Amino acid sequence: DTEVTQTPKHLVMGMTNKKSLKCEQHMGHRAMYWYKQKAKKPPELMFVYSYEKLSINESVPSRFSPECPNSSLLNLHLHALQPEDSALYLCASSQEYGEQFFGPGTRLTVL
Amino acid sequence: TQLLEQSPQFLSIQEGENLTVYCNSSSVFSSLQWYRQEPGEGPVLLVTVVTGGEVKKLKRLTFQFGDARKDSSLHITAAQPGDTGLYLCAGGYNAGNMLTFGGGTRLMVKP
Repeated sequence: DTEVTQTPKHLVMGMTNKKSLKCEQHMGHRAMYWYKQKAKKPPELMFVYSYEKLSINESVPSRFSPECPNSSLLNLHLHALQPEDSALYLCASSQEYGEQFFGPGTRLTVL
Repeated sequence: TQLLEQSPQFLSIQEGENLTVYCNSSSVFSSLQWYRQEPGEGPVLLVTVVTGGEVKKLKRLTFQFGDARKDSSLHITAAQPGDTGLYLCAGGYNAGNMLTFGGGTRLMVKP
C-alpha cells in the first residue's frame, strides 16, 4: 500500500460545529504532517508528528487540534473555526527524513 | 528562513511546445522534490533529486539538480494538455522533517 488516504473528501461546517479530519497511511512512515493550502498558493505546514509525538507546531491557532492515535493514523480536530479557515487540508507522510507523500486532501468550507 | 523562488509563476503554452520551470534558493538542500498538483487534489510526487548535478528523466520530463544543490529545473518536452497543473518544488533538509515549498508554477497547455 503506497498511498495516503484522507476522509472526508469535502466538509462543510458552521462556526460552532466540531468536526474531525482523518488521515491514514500503511507505508510504515514514522513522520506525518498536516498542511493547509489556500487557492493558488503552495501548502503551508501546520503540524509535524514524528514517532507519534508532536514535533512541530507552526503557531497554529488552538481551534485546530492534532492527534496521532498510532503510527498509521493522524487526526485533525476542528472547533469554532472561522470562514477564513476554509481551505484544502492536506495530510502527508514520510520516512524519518525522506520525501513526503501527500493524500488527496479535504476541501473544508466554514460557513 | 530558507526560501525557494520558483519561476515563472504562470505559463500558458500551446501543445507541442517545450518549457522550463526554475527553482532557486540561496540555501543548500539535502534533497529537492518536484510535485504536480491538480485542482482540489493533493500534490503528487514526480521525482526526488539528492546529488549535485544529478539529472533524472521521467518520460518527457527532465529534472536537474544544481551542482551546489541550491537550484533545480524541470524541463518538459512537447507539452500536452494533460501536463496542465500546478508544479511545486520543495527542498528538504537532513536535520528535520520540514520541506520548504516554492511558490508554484501554474502551467496551462492549450490543445
